[in-house]
Amino acid sequence: AQKVTQAQTEISVVEKEDVTLDCVYETRDTTYYLFWYKQPPSGELVFLIRRNSFDEQNEISGRYSWNFQKSTSSFNFTITASQVVDSAVYFCALSEATQGGSEKLVFGKGTKLTVNP
Amino acid sequence: DGGITQSPKYLFRKEGQNVTLSCEQNLNHDAMYWYRQDPGQGLRLIYYSQIVNDFQKGDIAEGYSVSREKKESFPLTVTSAQKNPTAFYLCASSPWTDPTGEQFFGPGTRLTVL
Repeated sequence: AQKVTQAQTEISVVEKEDVTLDCVYETRDTTYYLFWYKQPPSGELVFLIRRNSFDEQNEISGRYSWNFQKSTSSFNFTITASQVVDSAVYFCALSEATQGGSEKLVFGKGTKLTVNP
Repeated sequence: DGGITQSPKYLFRKEGQNVTLSCEQNLNHDAMYWYRQDPGQGLRLIYYSQIVNDFQKGDIAEGYSVSREKKESFPLTVTSAQKNPTAFYLCASSPWTDPTGEQFFGPGTRLTVL
């Protein structure tokens, strides 16, 4: 069965520090998708990135970057020069195909990031 | 604007009562999902529906029921059989024809059993 592990339960940093959130996954599928979602205090999950299993290129979006390594089954997320607004719970997720053809997501337990001014 | 709405935002229930959480989307998505979130537990899938009048149990379906009579609506009923219903409930949707699994989430309903 698919599994996602986010070993860091909570991280606290000071503004402008860089921070990396770890995500390790387990799957037997050869084709799969990995996601990161952000959950601010308001509660609604916000989609950050989707990566398919055949694309191991690192991706950068502004202060956010993602490092996908199939060899270690990891999909880590780095925030550069963190800001207070980055404070949230971040979830890593892995897609799992259902019999009907749609996908369902398997989530990690999340990492709570607190950025202090 | 397109999106997912959940109501109410906060819900209080007495033990032994059934309660229904609303989820509506105007994204024209075929698939809809219900998740439960407990502190430190991440999100767990309760039920999902890929098409109208069809739905499947997720990982923690016991004590819950759903219906999908309309494409836009996927209400969740928390029954009195659910042993520990106090939690944050999130509804999501995704396009069935898109196999990548990206899901769009509503703002959530926080249910408290008194």
